[in-house]
Formats: sequence, C-alpha cells, structure tokens
Amino acid sequence: QVQLQESGPGLVKPSETLSLTCTVSGGSISSYYWSWIRRPPGKGLEWIGYIYYTGTTNYNPSLKSRVTMSVDTSRKQFSLELSSVTAADTAIYYCARIPGPYSGYDYWGQGTLVTVSS
Amino acid sequence: QSVLTQPPSVSGAPGQRVTISCTGSSSNIGAGYDVHWYQQLPGTAPKLLIYGNSNRPSGVPDRFSGSKSGTSASLAITGLQAEDEADYYCQSFDSSLGGSVFGGGTKLTVL
Repeated sequence: QVQLQESGPGLVKPSETLSLTCTVSGGSISSYYWSWIRRPPGKGLEWIGYIYYTGTTNYNPSLKSRVTMSVDTSRKQFSLELSSVTAADTAIYYCARIPGPYSGYDYWGQGTLVTVSS
Repeated sequence: QSVLTQPPSVSGAPGQRVTISCTGSSSNIGAGYDVHWYQQLPGTAPKLLIYGNSNRPSGVPDRFSGSKSGTSASLAITGLQAEDEADYYCQSFDSSLGGSVFGGGTKLTVL
C-alpha cells in the first residue's frame, strides 16, 4: 500500500521560506507525478504544482514566482519550497500522487498544518 | 473564487438521494478533460471517490456515482448514511492554468 508522509516546520515567519518534504513508501516514485495541494482555513483545495519523477515541474501560475519543487528518487522524497510567505499561505499542506496530469489524485499524505506568524 | 463551481452545501435525510453539481468552462470540463471527485471527512485527507467522470476505485460503495455532460459534472449519493457527512470536491485539468483545478467544495449534511 502506497503511503505518503509530509514533514517540515509547522510555524514559519512572514517573509521567510516554507519548506516541506514528502516521503513515499510502499511503492515506486518512478513513472508518477507528485503534487502539492493546500487547503487554507475555511477555504477549498488549491493546487500548488507537481513534479514528475524525472524532475519536470509545473506550477500554479498564481504561485509560480515563489514555488520550487524538487525530487530525490534515491530517497523516494519530493520537496516544496515556498518563498516570501505571508499569513495568506497559512494552510494544511498535502502531498499527493497523480498517475498523469489529467488523472485524479489516488494517494494523499495526511496533511501538515503550516502557520505563518511572527 | 474557484475555477470549478460547486454549491456550498447540500443536505438530505438518511436513505435519501442527493446530487452535487460541478460547473466548469471550455478550458476544463467543457474541453473534455475528466472530472474526479473526492470525499474529505473532518480531520482527514481527501479520498478519491470517483475518477474518470464515473469510475469508482476499489472499496467505494456503488451508492456513489458520477456523471459528466458538457461543461458540468455531478456526483450522486443514494441511500444517504450518517457516515457520508463530509466535504466533497470536484477536480479537473484546466488548459489555461496548465494544471489541476478544484471546486470550492460542498459540505454534505445528513439530517
């Protein structure tokens, strides 16, 4: 059974960089797209972007200038960096697997709450 | 403002049937991209409920069904149960965005 687990700081100061890592277990990281999705308090889900196991990325245009994703296939991990954060970036961040760009997200991490506050 | 539009809430009594709509545009659902549905129980991650417009992953009861027509899609739940009380999201691909788009979510209340 594929499992995803997010890790990283739960509190980030305004203007700093949010960094999260997702570790994949129980399955291969190859041949899949790996995505970050967030849910701000009281709001719906927002797609942040995805990275293919080869390193190809695609980001939400609204966040593109602040987002960097990377993948480490040897450690079966992929990561998210979101720079210059503000309170509007406070959200539950989920990592998820998607077989292809047009597919549904079939496996999700449990989510991690990141609060932006001084 | 979400790219896909869903009603904020729906409700129904146990045993009844409810539907949740998801309206998009010519750059997503109307362009022929598949619609997928998720169920998010309180405090948990979203769970894939319907994929490819109308397909159920293994383990999802056949009380849940999906359909798509034109620029819209619908999720139907029959034989409502208390455990169905959750938030439901639709998702598709948008060619203008170049990635996934979600609906704003619909909160289902079982009366």
